[in-house]
Amino acid sequence: QSVLTQPPSASGTPGQKVIISCSGSSPNIGRNYVYWYQQLPGTAPKLLIYENNQRPSGVPDRLSGSKSGTSASLAISGLRSEDEADYYCAAWDNRLSGWVFGGGTKVTVL
Amino acid sequence: QVQLVQSGAEVRKPGASVKVSCKASGYTFIGSYMHWVRQAPGQGLEWMGRINPNSGGANYAQKFQGRVTMTRDTSISTAYMELSRLTSDDTAVYYCATQMATTIDPWGQGTLVIVSS
Repeated sequence: QSVLTQPPSASGTPGQKVIISCSGSSPNIGRNYVYWYQQLPGTAPKLLIYENNQRPSGVPDRLSGSKSGTSASLAISGLRSEDEADYYCAAWDNRLSGWVFGGGTKVTVL
Repeated sequence: QVQLVQSGAEVRKPGASVKVSCKASGYTFIGSYMHWVRQAPGQGLEWMGRINPNSGGANYAQKFQGRVTMTRDTSISTAYMELSRLTSDDTAVYYCATQMATTIDPWGQGTLVIVSS
C-alpha cells in the first residue's frame, strides 16, 4: 500500500466541484510540500500543483491545492469531461529519504 | 523547452537485466536531479530513486537497493537506469523525470519493460 492515502475514485457531473484528499504523516506531508499530478491513459503524469498550492502556467485556476497538517487536497471546480483522469499526490518523506506517492484517484465525469 | 526522451520498449526474460536511457535537452543537465519512477499495469506511481548528474551520486528507494543502478553520461546529457534480476513483478512503464527547484517535472514519455519467459 502507498505511504500517502487517496480515495480510489471520485466522480461528479459537469460543472460540479470534486475534492480529492491525500492523507500522510509528519515525515512527509507534515513537513514538506505536496504536489499533484494528472495522468491521462497511456501518457506520462502532468504537473498540476506544486508547493502545496501553486499552479504552473497553463493550469486553469479552477484547479486548486491546499494543505493542512498532515493532509492535503486537490479541488477541481467546474468539472469538465476532459478532467476524467487519474490524479496522484506526492511529497518528499524525511524518514524514507525519498519521494512517496498516493495510490491515485480516478475521477469520473458522469 | 525542457524535454526528456527515453529509449524504446524492452522485453526481457526473468533473471535478466534491463537498462533504460533518458536523454535530456533544453536545460543544464548537471544542474537538476534526475528521478526514476515506475508504474506497473493498472497500478500507481512508485519512486525508484534519483541521481545527481553533477556528482553522479544516487539515492535509491529501499525496495530497489542492490538491484538498481542509476548512472549518467554528462557528455551527451543522458541518464540511465539499470534494473537487474528481473521478475514478472518488474513489468511496468519506467519514467525518468527531472527536478526543477523543488518540483519533479517534466517527465519522459515512459519506457515499457516486459518481463516474460
